[in-house]
Amino acid sequence: RKEVEQDPGPFNVPEGATVAFNCTYSNSASQSFFWYRQDCRKEPKLLMSVYSSGNEDGRFTAQLNRASQYISLLIRDSKLSDSATYLCVAHGQAGTALIFGKGTTLSVSS
Amino acid sequence: SAVISQKPSRDICQRGTSLTIQCQVDSQVTMMFWYRQQPGQSLTLIATANQGSEATYESGFVIDKFPISRPNLTFSTLTVSNMSPEDSSIYLCSAGQGGGQETQYFGPGTRLLVL
Repeated sequence: RKEVEQDPGPFNVPEGATVAFNCTYSNSASQSFFWYRQDCRKEPKLLMSVYSSGNEDGRFTAQLNRASQYISLLIRDSKLSDSATYLCVAHGQAGTALIFGKGTTLSVSS
Repeated sequence: SAVISQKPSRDICQRGTSLTIQCQVDSQVTMMFWYRQQPGQSLTLIATANQGSEATYESGFVIDKFPISRPNLTFSTLTVSNMSPEDSSIYLCSAGQGGGQETQYFGPGTRLLVL
């Protein structure tokens, strides 16, 4: 079983749609979680951290359910510029590397 | 956040040769890592670059194939040795402060094509 699993998509949605991505992680000792965004032929860039209490940044909302080892990302009012691959990331012990999911591809069309 | 640069940005190499990739961070960082991303795949950790000591390699990666240096807190190199076409990939350097600040930032990557 892979450590971080995501639905690869692609998710094809019209502008203005709301779209949700889900992710599960296998290591219950994971302590920190993130969503990264990767545009085609670019490096991953941090989108947001994920907390148990949930956090919101504009149109983006991330949730963490430790009991179910489940992470989600909700994008409201999708824009064309949201088209990218979204990587779910878990982090274990302090000072160790990030564990990446394979990514979920989003394509927003007009 | 840290700004990370990598050189070269891309290269085309012949089978059997070696390429050294440089990673420079604009500030001192505790942790530096090297990842590989093959076409259509997610990132796979190669190793953790430890300052002043040998790198820590992940399963499937060995020092003879991917020697790593980290002479100080802002710089690291990854060498891809005795290359084969299977080594064609994007190689990414990342850096973070660790110690509870787990956010990591990535360099722009080095695109390697081995013929």
